This record gives sequence, structure tokens and C-alpha cells, in this order.
Amino acid sequence: AQSVTQLDSQVPVFEEAPVELRCNYSSSVSVYLFWYVQYPNQGLQLLLKYLSGSTLVESINGFEAEFNKSQTSFHLRKPSVHISDTAEYFCAVSEHSSASKIIFGSGTRLSIRP
Amino acid sequence: DAGVIQSPRHEVTEMGQEVTLRCKPISGHDYLFWYRQTMMRGLELLIYFNNNVPIDDSGMPEDRFSAKMPNASFSTLKIQPSEPRDSAVYFCASSLSGARGGYTFGSGTRLTVV
Repeated sequence: AQSVTQLDSQVPVFEEAPVELRCNYSSSVSVYLFWYVQYPNQGLQLLLKYLSGSTLVESINGFEAEFNKSQTSFHLRKPSVHISDTAEYFCAVSEHSSASKIIFGSGTRLSIRP
Repeated sequence: DAGVIQSPRHEVTEMGQEVTLRCKPISGHDYLFWYRQTMMRGLELLIYFNNNVPIDDSGMPEDRFSAKMPNASFSTLKIQPSEPRDSAVYFCASSLSGARGGYTFGSGTRLTVV
């Protein structure tokens, strides 16, 4: 069965500093991988996704994630964060064999200090 | 498109009462998902539908929970009778052709059972 582990429940960083949010998944088959973001009192929004091809995927607001099959990881990075990036970030996985159901990690709360 | 629409946004009810949560998916989407979010358990998939047919309800906690999708533009999640431990934020999400395109989430219904 597929599962997702987000290693950090909270990550505090200073504005304009780089950040990495860690994600590892467990699955015996090929997977799709996702990062979602949740701003306060809102639903989740898709930030970026890996389906196939290039292992490095990017979002429109400067985040990127790299699929590493050997380490079963999909860490999210941003070279310089902004106050507006304050949110909760969820890593998620969907197995190719059941390409409808997405399983979410427990989330990482990113707090940006000025 | 107005996105996924959930109602009500907030619901406060007494233990033992029936609660009905409503969801209107994005027009044309063929998958609909119900998730529950709590601090303790994170995001849990309760049930999902494909073309109005329930595909996987293994996440429904117990018989007190039921979900229906009478047509492509409407779904309900019902709890009868409600209990304090049902207090959570309930999200509806829809997608086109499963997980590959990502899910679009509604803003959620915050349920409080007192």
C-alpha cells in the first residue's frame, strides 16, 4: 500500500532564505507525486506534480521538486521564500495502478519570519 | 467556472443530530472525492465516485456515515447520528480523469458537534 511521510511538521525560516520541505513515499509500483498548498481557512491547491519524464518539476511561484526514485523522495525547495509563502504544504502520492486515489502526507507548516 | 462549491461553510450541531454536507463539483469533472481533515489524523479519504458511482468507500469511518451522488453536479455526505468526534473540516474535491490532472478542492465545511 502507498504511503507518504513528511519528516517535518513545522519549518520556520527567515524571509528571503532558502527552504526545503522533505517528503518520502512508499510504494511497490510506479507513482505520480504531488505537492499541494493550503492557506489558512482554504482548501488545498495543487502546487506542482510529477507524472513522468523530467524528474525536476517547477511551479509558477518559484517552487521546485525533484523526483528521486532510488531514495523514494520528492522534496520541495525554494531558493528564496516570501512572507506570502506562509502556509501548510502537503506531499501526496497516487499509484499508477489506482490512478484515481491520492494519499496525502501529514503536512508541513511553513512559517516565514520577517 | 466557480470551482468546487461546498455548503455550508460552517455547521454547529448537537450530538445525535443528522448533518448533511453538500458539494457541487466542477462541471465536466468525472471524479468526486470526500476528505476529512483533523489535527490528529490529517487528511483522510472517506469515499470517492467515478461517473456518479461509488468506487471506494473503505475510508468511511462507520455506518453513521453515508454519501450519495445522484447526478454529476451534486453530492452529499451525511452523518446520522453525529458525535463530537466527528468534528473536523470536510473537503470535497473533483478531478477530470483521476489523479493525473490533480484535484480541485472546495473551501471545506467546518463541522462542530457539541
